[in-house]
Amino acid sequence: EPEVTQTPSHQVTQMGQEVILRCVPISNHLYFYWYRQILGQKVEFLVSFYNNEISEKSEIFDDQFSVERPDGSNFTLKIRSTKLEDSAMYFCASIGTGDTQYFGPGTRLTVL
Amino acid sequence: AQSVTQLGSHVSVSEGALVLLRCNYSSSVPPYLFWYVQYPNQGLQLLLKYTSAATLVKGINGFEAEFKKSETSFHLTKPSAHMSDAAEYFCAVSGSARQLTFGSGTQLTVLP
Repeated sequence: EPEVTQTPSHQVTQMGQEVILRCVPISNHLYFYWYRQILGQKVEFLVSFYNNEISEKSEIFDDQFSVERPDGSNFTLKIRSTKLEDSAMYFCASIGTGDTQYFGPGTRLTVL
Repeated sequence: AQSVTQLGSHVSVSEGALVLLRCNYSSSVPPYLFWYVQYPNQGLQLLLKYTSAATLVKGINGFEAEFKKSETSFHLTKPSAHMSDAAEYFCAVSGSARQLTFGSGTQLTVLP
């Protein structure tokens, strides 16, 4: 069964450094999403991406964040200058023609 | 705007007992509603979804949920709990860009 994959599974970085989190959505899916989950808290929507542009973003998704689909398979989330409070689990998700979002296993980001 | 409220951050049941996890939603448009399950250190797995068809929805692992518009509820039930059901459960409502707004989650503990 096709699945969403994410790399790396765990990323440790120093405050102020740039990180890129990578996702490979299910092929032929059209809508792509990033969510985050701070430890012990609920899952929060960050951004949605369709037709090579952002379709919706939350208040969390400020100028420090950007997304890109550099080729036909990858979908990336870049955090330009990481802060301690960016430490969280980041989930990528995708939807095809139906209504179900399929989530990847997540990348745990630790900012020191 | 959409929102989800999950009553009870922790629920404990005995093995074989009824599981009832509560979810109430707020939505300005007819909602699409979802229940996801998260096992420790894993991603989110879809249990079931309501997308304006039958109000009683059956999902995986014996779970079901009933959409009640008059009560703005979408409670999750399972007749007989199993030890393997211990996990965190998230209710979510879909927005205009199909992004998901999640509730705070309910941690289900199953006692032997």
